[in-house]
Amino acid sequence: TQLLEQSPQFLSIQEGENLTVYCNSSSVFSSLQWYRQEPGEGPVLLVTVVTGGEVKKLKRLTFQFGDARKDSSLHITAAQPGDTGLYLCAGAVGGSQGNLIFGKGTKLSVKP
Amino acid sequence: KAGVTQTPRYLIKTRGQQVTLSCSPISGHRSVSWYQQTPGQGLQFLFEYFSETQRNKGNFPGRFSGRQFSNSRSEMNVSTLELGDSALYLCASSSQPENTEAFFGQGTRLTVV
Repeated sequence: TQLLEQSPQFLSIQEGENLTVYCNSSSVFSSLQWYRQEPGEGPVLLVTVVTGGEVKKLKRLTFQFGDARKDSSLHITAAQPGDTGLYLCAGAVGGSQGNLIFGKGTKLSVKP
Repeated sequence: KAGVTQTPRYLIKTRGQQVTLSCSPISGHRSVSWYQQTPGQGLQFLFEYFSETQRNKGNFPGRFSGRQFSNSRSEMNVSTLELGDSALYLCASSSQPENTEAFFGQGTRLTVV
């Protein structure tokens, strides 16, 4: 069974702090995606990383794909209350939605 | 361009009943996938459809079924509902099945009592 483990499961921080969320697996992924989900809504795609070692930035968010394409991290600089939500990573082991494996998510709460 | 639309948003059903959920993908998207999201298990893949054909199926019992119409709209059906079927059911569309980047709808919150 392929698993994608996210840590931490919960994170509560003050506005302005930095944080890192991790996504780890023993499987190699052809690509990895990060989503953010707000309460009562569906997940929204933030980024897709494809190449081992790849780093992508989205404003204050930095995403990195591990060299071996088995793990990824999401770093948020100077977190804001608007960053609050459930962050999900999803690894693709093939070119199909059916081969997309989701982590259970990191629930982030940023307090003003 | 309109996003993925799921109806209804909320549903309350009694054990033993059956339910049908609907999903309209983004215009031009032909691949539709369904997921079940629960606090304990997270997002779990149910099935994927493309051109009215089921391409992939997750590890769910036969009570869960789906179909896709010629206009790419999709429905999923759950028969003989159980309390454990209470969940957020999410539909995602993509332009092609090979494209794993998913655009999700807001989901249907199903509560089984």
